[in-house]
Amino acid sequence: DQQVKQNSPSLSVQEGRISILNCDYTNSMFDYFLWYKKYPAEGPTFLISISSIKDKNEDGRFTVFLNKSAKHLSLHIVPSQPGDSAVYFCAASGNQGGKLIFGQGTELSVKP
Amino acid sequence: GAVVSQHPSWVICKSGTSVKIECRSLDFQATTMFWYRQFPKQSLMLMATSNEGSKATYEQGVEKDKFLINHASLTLSTLTVTSAHPEDSSFYICSARGELVREKLFFGSGTQLSVL
Repeated sequence: DQQVKQNSPSLSVQEGRISILNCDYTNSMFDYFLWYKKYPAEGPTFLISISSIKDKNEDGRFTVFLNKSAKHLSLHIVPSQPGDSAVYFCAASGNQGGKLIFGQGTELSVKP
Repeated sequence: GAVVSQHPSWVICKSGTSVKIECRSLDFQATTMFWYRQFPKQSLMLMATSNEGSKATYEQGVEKDKFLINHASLTLSTLTVTSAHPEDSSFYICSARGELVREKLFFGSGTQLSVL
């Protein structure tokens, strides 16, 4: 049972354009969501998070949007840079002792 | 940001041997540590949750006798893969969290285990 889903395994974007990564979840008990960036053979690094009491959180080039009614969140990166090329994981947590449930990841490729 | 150190970064071992992976929080006290594994092109799958001084809680389908977790101090947790087999070959990642449950997780750099 995949509670957090990233249906696009890959995304290719031109440098300078917007990258939009999507994530859906099924568990209505989730109330905190995070995005992580991961390079091969490395641990994930935290990017940005959002609580369910908000619908938007912005940090520099990164903005996360949350649509609770649709159980959907998205990460917008603008402008995209070649250094943003990596695998992006969304993760969710609820009343489960703080553990995170991860999506399958989306591999973003930003072309110069 | 907080630093989590994981060691070794890669290990190759023969089938039947045991492998220990260490995870240390370098600049904060990790009341909770999580162990994940990742197969190529797949998601990070939570294996177990450990709180300092208590037994680890394992996710469904994870053999507690095979994956021994010790969280003896607020800065160190270890995962021992006992009697490793080729199907245990994977990327293992630890993560740590401080007292506030809502703090974001900090991850180690991961350990690539290859069992021959």
